[in-house]
Amino acid sequence: DAKTTQPNSMESNEEEPVHLPCNHSTISGTDYIHWYRQLPSQGPEYVIHGLTSNVNNRMASLAIAEDRKSSTLILHRATLRDAAVYYCILRGLIQGAQKLVFGQGTRLTINP
Amino acid sequence: DTAVSQTPKYLVTQMGNDKSIKCEQNLGHDTMYWYKQDSKKFLKIMFSYNNKELIINETVPNRFSPKSPDKAHLNLHINSLELGDSAVYFCASSFGLPATNEKLFFGSGTQLSVL
Repeated sequence: DAKTTQPNSMESNEEEPVHLPCNHSTISGTDYIHWYRQLPSQGPEYVIHGLTSNVNNRMASLAIAEDRKSSTLILHRATLRDAAVYYCILRGLIQGAQKLVFGQGTRLTINP
Repeated sequence: DTAVSQTPKYLVTQMGNDKSIKCEQNLGHDTMYWYKQDSKKFLKIMFSYNNKELIINETVPNRFSPKSPDKAHLNLHINSLELGDSAVYFCASSFGLPATNEKLFFGSGTQLSVL
């Protein structure tokens, strides 16, 4: 079901920016791009979402390519607490209902 | 206050038993969901209710029966438990009907182990 492609894993250092890529070449005009993350032993947590324009919130920034076929989640200054699996999800109309369909995600490791 | 709370957090039971997992949200949301995360960590939607009405029903064995007594509660009852039911079950809620720009709030999960 998932229509996004993410690297299986990434590693970064504490206090450095992290850029998590996501490819979604089959995105349709009405699909929103959502990012969730799942910390160890916890439920998924909403991070950010957008449609066409770049978005910023207190957790992260979302940079969306002009053709919308890819996007990047940016953590401006990673902390150890940002170690999690990050899911890039397209949310659109599937079989008559808008579903949040999770893929494999990117496991982000933060080194002290 | 926990926004979406599930009980129990851990559930260990024998094959063939019937068990229930409860979920409550205090966010005033209209829509609630059940997701299953298997051993390979894939999260899959199972059901969704909006104002106590079933709106999403994935291909789930009919041994799984969700029940929503009111819009703040969505319980999951599982009959005749099988080994393959072992997984982490997550409850979630959202403000309105499932929509392309709605965000979901998840509980911390119930780890079900069937022996």
